[in-house]
Amino acid sequence: NAGVMQNPRHLVRRRGQEARLRCSPMKGHSHVYWYRQLPEEGLKFMVYLQKENIIDESGMPKERFSAEFPKEGPSILRIQQVVRGDSAAYFCASSPSGAGYTFGSGTRLTVV
Amino acid sequence: DQQVKQNSPSLSVQEGRISILNCDYTNSMFDYFLWYKKYPAEGPTFLISISSIKDKNEDGRFTVFLNKSAKHLSLHIVPSQPGDSAVYFCAARILQEGAQKLVFGQGTRLTINP
Repeated sequence: NAGVMQNPRHLVRRRGQEARLRCSPMKGHSHVYWYRQLPEEGLKFMVYLQKENIIDESGMPKERFSAEFPKEGPSILRIQQVVRGDSAAYFCASSPSGAGYTFGSGTRLTVV
Repeated sequence: DQQVKQNSPSLSVQEGRISILNCDYTNSMFDYFLWYKKYPAEGPTFLISISSIKDKNEDGRFTVFLNKSAKHLSLHIVPSQPGDSAVYFCAARILQEGAQKLVFGQGTRLTINP
């Protein structure tokens, strides 16, 4: 029973490129959450999705960031035109019912 | 607006002694509180939780205490072991418009010295 799978584990992008982070939730989990951890900070909520729906995106920056969780396939967090300040660890969590999160190992994004 | 605060960035404890990690919150709407443990290069893993209607929950070496009037919770680990060395995050759950999410503190790095 695989846990929450995130890939890639490490991603290096040049300023202005696009970053795509993938998250496959645990089997049977239909709720996905994305969190960001900046250096020396805690985890900041970004977005909560269910299949094909964005439930709460109050933590998403207004520009350049988007997220989706299609009917088939993983959830994708997309960052367009990355800047140095986007460098962080991005964690995905899933749950079967909106409670009891299980986190993935994260994607560490470095913008050079 | 930091609704969940962990004011100690780090804590060092002797092996076998008690570790006490603290967390303060501001929002009375939080209904559940959780502690997560995080090792480097890994995701947070759930440790223990407590409902807002309880004041104590115990699981083996881990006990969480909740003081609602002070809006304060603490995690006690006794006896502390070297494998407990990690970053500990306090989190609070809130229901907003039918959606629930966790709000995290900044974390406390616990080091257990042999």
